Amino acid sequence: AQSVTQLGSHVSVSEGALVLLRCNYSSSVPPYLFWYVQYPNQGLQLLLKYTTGATLVKGINGFEAEFKKSETSFHLTKPSAHMSDAAEYFCAVSDTLSSGSARQLTFGSGTQLTVLP
Amino acid sequence: KAGVTQTPRYLIKTRGQQVTLSCSPISGHRSVSWYQQTPGQGLQFLFEYFSETQRNKGNFPGRFSGRQFSNSRSEMNVSTLELGDSALYLCASSLGAGNNEQFFGPGTRLTVL
Repeated sequence: AQSVTQLGSHVSVSEGALVLLRCNYSSSVPPYLFWYVQYPNQGLQLLLKYTTGATLVKGINGFEAEFKKSETSFHLTKPSAHMSDAAEYFCAVSDTLSSGSARQLTFGSGTQLTVLP
Repeated sequence: KAGVTQTPRYLIKTRGQQVTLSCSPISGHRSVSWYQQTPGQGLQFLFEYFSETQRNKGNFPGRFSGRQFSNSRSEMNVSTLELGDSALYLCASSLGAGNNEQFFGPGTRLTVL
């Protein structure tokens, strides 16, 4: 069984400060990992994903995340926060592909990011 | 390319009624997944359809069902609504063949009174 833990349900940063949102996962097989963002009254938008290969993944809007297998972590960072980054962020894990198997995302509980002026 | 569309966007029902939600995936996508989002339980997987077949199902009661049509559009149905079914229901589509990237629609906000 897979699981995702997001440390900190609420994170506040000042505009221009570093954003760090934490995600730890548990998976019995090599995982696919994702970060999604959700703005109020909207669906989820994919920020970035890790499948295989390079462990530092760059996404949209200046976000990046590093897959650390030894720490079972996939923390999301952005060097300089912008007011428009205020939203809820979800980390998710998915099964490694296997022939004919369906894929489902298991989500963390989310982190609400507030950006202070 | 148009994104995932869901209809209706908002819905109000009373306990005991049934409801049908619709999802149109991105053109060319054959997999449609449904998720329920609530403040208490977060995002939970309901089921996934691929080529009109349910491939995977989450841990929800039989009151929750779905189907997929030959054009990949999908519907989910909830019968005998309960207050606890109030949630945002999200649909996601993907190519479904060797690609885990799911694209989400805006959701349908269901309120059960």
